[in-house]
Parts: sequence; C-alpha cells; structure tokens
Amino acid sequence: AQTVTQSQPEMSVQEAETVTLSCTYDTSESDYYLFWYKQPPSRQMILVIRQEAYKQQNATENRFSVNFQKAAKSFSLKISDSQLGDAAMYFCAPFVQGAQKLVFGQGTRLTINP
Amino acid sequence: GAVVSQHPSWVICKSGTSVKIECRSLDFQATTMFWYRQFPKQSLMLMATSNEGSKATYEQGVEKDKFLINHASLTLSTLTVTSAHPEDSSFYICSARLTVNSPLHFGNGTRLTVT
Repeated sequence: AQTVTQSQPEMSVQEAETVTLSCTYDTSESDYYLFWYKQPPSRQMILVIRQEAYKQQNATENRFSVNFQKAAKSFSLKISDSQLGDAAMYFCAPFVQGAQKLVFGQGTRLTINP
Repeated sequence: GAVVSQHPSWVICKSGTSVKIECRSLDFQATTMFWYRQFPKQSLMLMATSNEGSKATYEQGVEKDKFLINHASLTLSTLTVTSAHPEDSSFYICSARLTVNSPLHFGNGTRLTVT
C-alpha cells in the first residue's frame, strides 16, 4: 500500500521569498510517478509539477522545483520568488503504476504574506 | 487542453433522494476516471476507479450500492449517490487521464449538501 506524509500542516512565507514543502512516501514498487497539486480556495485541483521515479534529474517548472531523493523516499517542493497567487493547499501524491491510483498526502496550507 | 468538466458544481437534495454527478473529458478520451471525496479541511480520498466499459473498482470502505458509478463512454463518467443522507454531504471531485502515463486532470468538483 502507498502511504504519503506531509509533516507540515501549515507554512507561511513572505512574498518574493523561497519556501520548501516536504513530503515523504512509502511504496514497495519501483515504477511510479510523483506529483504536486495545489488547491486554491476555488477548490480546483491544479497540477504543479511531476517527477518520474526513474529519472534522477529533479523536475523544474518555472519557479517550482523538486528535490527528489529516491532512496530516502522524499519529494519536497521548492517555490522560489513566492507570489500571492501561490497561496493554496498543496498536496503531494504518488501514482504507483501497479496500483493504478493517485494517493494524496494530508496537505500543507501555504500562506503568502505581502 | 485536457479539460475536465464536472456538473453540477453545487447541489442540495433532501434526505432519501438520489443525486447524479457528471464528469466529462472535453478535449480528450479518458479510458480511466477517478472519483474522490473531500471533507472540509481534509485531503482527497479516492472512492473508486472507473474504466470505460467495465465495472468500477471501489476502495475499501466505499459502498458500491450507495455510490453508483457508470463509465459508459470515453468522455463521460457519472457518480450517483443513492438514498442520500446528511453524512453524504461532501465535496466530490472527479479526475481523468488520457493514458496510463498521463497526469490526472481534475474537474471543478461538486459540493453536495443533503438536508
């Protein structure tokens, strides 16, 4: 079974600064993907970034990047130059090919202070 | 691209009635759709996986006779909450993907309130 742990229920950061959200997961399988989704107050789930487990290079999408440590089963999200629009719930979610399901962590509520 | 439309966005129904929620992939064919439930200030919990043309696979603890899922075409899946009770009040979100390697794209969700 997949388990996902986001140990930071809430985080806050000053606008324009950098923040890192942590995520650890557990799976016995080797073929999986890792995702970060954000859920703003509108409750729309928005894909932030994706990482293939077989790739060693960390994924990057503009101001968003990940630190993927496969051996440690850690998948943190770094947001650089934080903007007010980044305020949202952030969910870490592994997708294991064998189980064919996306399982979400508990979420981290990110607040951006102007 | 990869737009998922969910309807209705908000519904209120009386206890004992049934409610149908639709999930459509507008610009792609979705062989698999997923239904999630989200309680206030909580994470998304997977309810079931819906594959086109076959029976849905329900997660442990989800009553398949209460939450009927139909995936009759590659662009439409429906979730019917039968004999709804106040405890069924929640936010229901569907998602769809194009291929097994594609990320999931989510609908806007449906807020169900049972009175």
